[in-house]
Amino acid sequence: AQKITQTQPGMFVQEKEAVTLDCTYDTSDQSYGLFWYKQPSSGEMIFLIYQGSYDEQNATEGRYSLNFQKARKSANLVISASQLGDSAMYFCALTGGAGSYQLTFGKGTKLSVIP
Amino acid sequence: DSGVTQTPKHLITATGQRVTLRCSPRSGDLSVYWYQQSLDQGLQFLIQYYNGEERAKGNILERFSAQQFPDLHSELNLSSLELGDSALYFCASGPLRLRDGGEQFFGPGTRLTVL
Repeated sequence: AQKITQTQPGMFVQEKEAVTLDCTYDTSDQSYGLFWYKQPSSGEMIFLIYQGSYDEQNATEGRYSLNFQKARKSANLVISASQLGDSAMYFCALTGGAGSYQLTFGKGTKLSVIP
Repeated sequence: DSGVTQTPKHLITATGQRVTLRCSPRSGDLSVYWYQQSLDQGLQFLIQYYNGEERAKGNILERFSAQQFPDLHSELNLSSLELGDSALYFCASGPLRLRDGGEQFFGPGTRLTVL
């Protein structure tokens, strides 16, 4: 079975500082994908970044980067230069193998950016 | 705007009733995924349809059913509603296989309240 663990229920970061949100995963699949989504208080799910298990380089999308450590089964999200609008819930998700059609989500981390 | 539409945005009903949630995928997407987000269970995959056919099933209750129509819109039917069915129901559209690297685009969700 696939599993995503996000150990930080809540985090605070000062505006303009960088922050790392932790995500570890468990899967027996050789090929899988890791996603990060942002959910603001308004409720919508916003895709941030994707990392494939065979991608040699860490994924980056603007201020978002994914610190992928395959041997440690971790896929941490790094947000650089935090903005007030980054305050939201952040979900790490996994797909792969027989369940390649659906996303398995972690419980999320609530990020609060302090002015 | 993700391009995925969901109606209604809010739904309030009583226990024992039946409701239908509707989703229209992004233009060009053949896959529709349904997810349930509740406080105790988090974000869970329910079911996936691809071009009218069921492709994958998650933790979907027998009281729930879904279908995808020839115009690719999908409906999620929830019957014999219980208090515990109160949740935010998301529809997402995307590629057939997530490991192909494509993101899933989420709709704004339908918030169901069962009284």
